Amino acid sequence: GAVVSQHPSWVICKSGTSVKIECRSLDFQATTMFWYRQFPKQSLMLMATSNEGSKATYEQGVEKDKFLINHASLTLSTLTVTSAHPEDSSFYICSTTGTGDNEQFFGPGTRLTVL
Amino acid sequence: QKEVEQNSGPLSVPEGAIASLNCTYSDRVSQSFFWYRQYSGKSPELIMSIYSNGDKEDGRFTAQLNKASQYVSLLIRDSQPSDSATYLCAVNRRNNDMRFGAGTRLTVKP
Repeated sequence: GAVVSQHPSWVICKSGTSVKIECRSLDFQATTMFWYRQFPKQSLMLMATSNEGSKATYEQGVEKDKFLINHASLTLSTLTVTSAHPEDSSFYICSTTGTGDNEQFFGPGTRLTVL
Repeated sequence: QKEVEQNSGPLSVPEGAIASLNCTYSDRVSQSFFWYRQYSGKSPELIMSIYSNGDKEDGRFTAQLNKASQYVSLLIRDSQPSDSATYLCAVNRRNNDMRFGAGTRLTVKP
């Protein structure tokens, strides 16, 4: 599999501020990383696919100007939630594929609470 | 119709019993199928993958796939309280386009 870390594990911020979440692939050079969001008692929803060296591909309904994704290296992708609002409070999880057959391995997640 | 459907549960089984989790998917071109376990407040952990029709066994877990019926299942034998979690069915349609079911919450009672 692949080992993925995320930082921070949790963050609390005021409405209107921006929050950056880092996702690192520790043992695998990941050309592609995925960002998911999970609201309580709901399933994972793919937000965007992050491609190293190019623009991210966003899912329908996800605002690219609000959720900025940067994948500047093969081991690091960042998600910045700009001008966060309480409705952005959620569990944000990144993942990457390993060297196997399309399975995805998840980071530990970042719990964002916007006051 | 949802792309990946699972019974939300909760499914409750006694310790030592077999837990059976089911999943159906809508896209016939789907090629690979996964079961993830998610403990409360944690991220999903891959426990099984299956790509061909039939059964695949790994320890106490058996995944079953029937592409004609667009059906995937997970059996957990000798269920333990530590198996209590939400189990997510995931279907990879193509090019890493993975879709998740809403999950089935399993409770194993001692």
